[in-house]
Amino acid sequence: QVQLQESGPGLVKPSETLSVTCIVSGGSIASYYWNWIRQSPGKGLEWIGYIFYNGRTNYNPSLKSRVTISVDTSKNQFSLKLSSVTPADTAVYYCASSNWVYWGQGTLVTVSS
Amino acid sequence: DIVMTQSPDSLAVSLGERATINCKSSQSVLSGSNNKNYLAWYQQKAGQPPKLLLYWASARESGVPDRFNGRGSGTDFTLTINSLQAEDVAIYYCQQFYTAPYTFGQGTKLEIK
Repeated sequence: QVQLQESGPGLVKPSETLSVTCIVSGGSIASYYWNWIRQSPGKGLEWIGYIFYNGRTNYNPSLKSRVTISVDTSKNQFSLKLSSVTPADTAVYYCASSNWVYWGQGTLVTVSS
Repeated sequence: DIVMTQSPDSLAVSLGERATINCKSSQSVLSGSNNKNYLAWYQQKAGQPPKLLLYWASARESGVPDRFNGRGSGTDFTLTINSLQAEDVAIYYCQQFYTAPYTFGQGTKLEIK
């Protein structure tokens, strides 16, 4: 059974870079491609982007200029970086598999000074 | 982007009765190559990530009770929950995964009357 676990900083200051990592256990990271989704009260569920095990990515155009998703196959994990954050980026950040079956529990990231 | 619009935003149904949630996409999510609708339904309970209920508009994910049913094609879809149970209280989302950026409906809050 594939399990996903996000880890993040909890609190990020405005204009800084948010970094969240998702560890994949119980399966190979090569078995799927991997999504990042966020959920905030104001905007509901928003897809951020995905990455394949070989590093190929696809980003939401609304965030593309600020998003970088990377993968570390040796550690079976992938990461999200979102730069120049504002309070509007406050959300629960989820990772999910490409078949949408496996989701992490989510990590709340608050952007505040 | 494909815009997903759900109706109603909330509804209250008596235990044992039927709940119906609608989802409309701004463009068809039906693939001409495989005749599949790239439409999923999720259930999200408080403090939990979304849980996949149905994919391809009507295929039940493993372990999902058969009182959850999906239908529709192209741009118009329906989730029906028969014989409503207390544990079905949640927010329900539709999502298109036909083309990136993948997008979600705004959610429908289901309560017990």
